[in-house]
Amino acid sequence: EPEVTQTPSHQVTQMGQEVILRCVPISNHLYFYWYRQILGQKVEFLVSFYNNEISEKSEIFDDQFSVERPDGSNFTLKIRSTKLEDSAMYFCASSSGSHNEQFFGPGTRLTVL
Amino acid sequence: QKEVEQNSGPLSVPEGAIASLNCTYSDRVSQSFFWYRQYSGKSPELIMSIYSNGDKEDGRFTAQLNKASQYVSLLIRDSQPSDSATYLCAVNIGGGSDTLTFGKGTMLLVSP
Repeated sequence: EPEVTQTPSHQVTQMGQEVILRCVPISNHLYFYWYRQILGQKVEFLVSFYNNEISEKSEIFDDQFSVERPDGSNFTLKIRSTKLEDSAMYFCASSSGSHNEQFFGPGTRLTVL
Repeated sequence: QKEVEQNSGPLSVPEGAIASLNCTYSDRVSQSFFWYRQYSGKSPELIMSIYSNGDKEDGRFTAQLNKASQYVSLLIRDSQPSDSATYLCAVNIGGGSDTLTFGKGTMLLVSP
């Protein structure tokens, strides 16, 4: 069964450093998302991406964040200058259509020291 | 502001019983509703989607939607210890947005 994959599973970085989180969505899906979940809190939407552009973003997704689909398979989330409060699980999700079911990857645990 | 509310639990049921999980949402125009299961330290796993009023059954799971009451529920029949997890309700308001707003989740504990 096709699934969303994410790398790395765990990333430890120093405050102020740049990190890139990588995702490979399900191959025939066209809609891609990033969510995050701070420990003990709810899953929060960050950004949605369709047709090589951002379709929607939340207040969390400020100028420090960017997304890119560098090739036909990868979807990346970049945090330019990490802060302590960026520590969270970051989930990539993909969907075959807008408003359709979203399937989540296993997540990347980001720890900012 | 869009809100999705769930009782945090834990909801404790014995093995073989029916577990009933509830969710309310604030945005009346919400159109799509999803239940995810999340084991500790893992990612959300889609269980059910429901888009119209009424019941939708899939195996041991039944989702129920009442848009007039802004209420969606998940019933798990013949609960198993492996069902012990946190169940997340997620709502999409539709229109131009396809983002999901999640509740905090209800922890379910199924005892053998």
